[in-house]
Amino acid sequence: SAVISQKPSRDICQRGTSLTIQCQVDSQVTMMFWYRQQPGQSLTLIATANQGSEATYESGFVIDKFPISRPNLTFSTLTVSNMSPEDSSIYLCSVTSRQGASDTQYFGPGTRLTVL
Amino acid sequence: AQSVAQPEDQVNVAEGNPLTVKCTYSVSGNPYLFWYVQYPNRGLQFLLKYITGDNLVKGSYGFEAEFNKSQTSFHLKKPSALVSDSALYFCAVRGTLDTGRRALTFGSGTRLQVQP
Repeated sequence: SAVISQKPSRDICQRGTSLTIQCQVDSQVTMMFWYRQQPGQSLTLIATANQGSEATYESGFVIDKFPISRPNLTFSTLTVSNMSPEDSSIYLCSVTSRQGASDTQYFGPGTRLTVL
Repeated sequence: AQSVAQPEDQVNVAEGNPLTVKCTYSVSGNPYLFWYVQYPNRGLQFLLKYITGDNLVKGSYGFEAEFNKSQTSFHLKKPSALVSDSALYFCAVRGTLDTGRRALTFGSGTRLQVQP
């Protein structure tokens, strides 16, 4: 399985500012994803981070609000821009890793963001 | 489109008793099905998956899940619950014909509470 680390683990930010979350994987992976988990809710996919090209965003998420970088096969960043209290969530990085004949999706520990 | 339903927000069980956490799904084509567990202030941990083959899948920590194609279900089970199993459990799915979407779709989550 892939080992995923995220920085920061948590942060408290002021309204209107931006935060960049880093995701580092211990091996090269093809697929990287960013999810959001709002308080008491399930996981919602924000985007798929593509290496060497723009991220693919899900409905309701836009690049201006959540710019993503994927400079190589082991690293990605997600920026939460112009934050408001509604952005308070856990942000999770996820990768797929081959296990035998199939892929399994693994998750980082998450970044807990509180916006005041 | 793919979707997952976890009909129970919470399941309560006494330690030592068997537990079941329910999950039903809807996908295009055949399903890839997953269970994850989330402990407080932690990321998601992979428990088990069904890709093909035996309908009964065994996973981590003594958990197993039964795939039922006719009922489109993938219920999580454990013969004897432990207090330490208390956590939030997520069922997730991806369909083999959902081309272009490689990420998983998650259910709403079920909180398992095991009483001593």
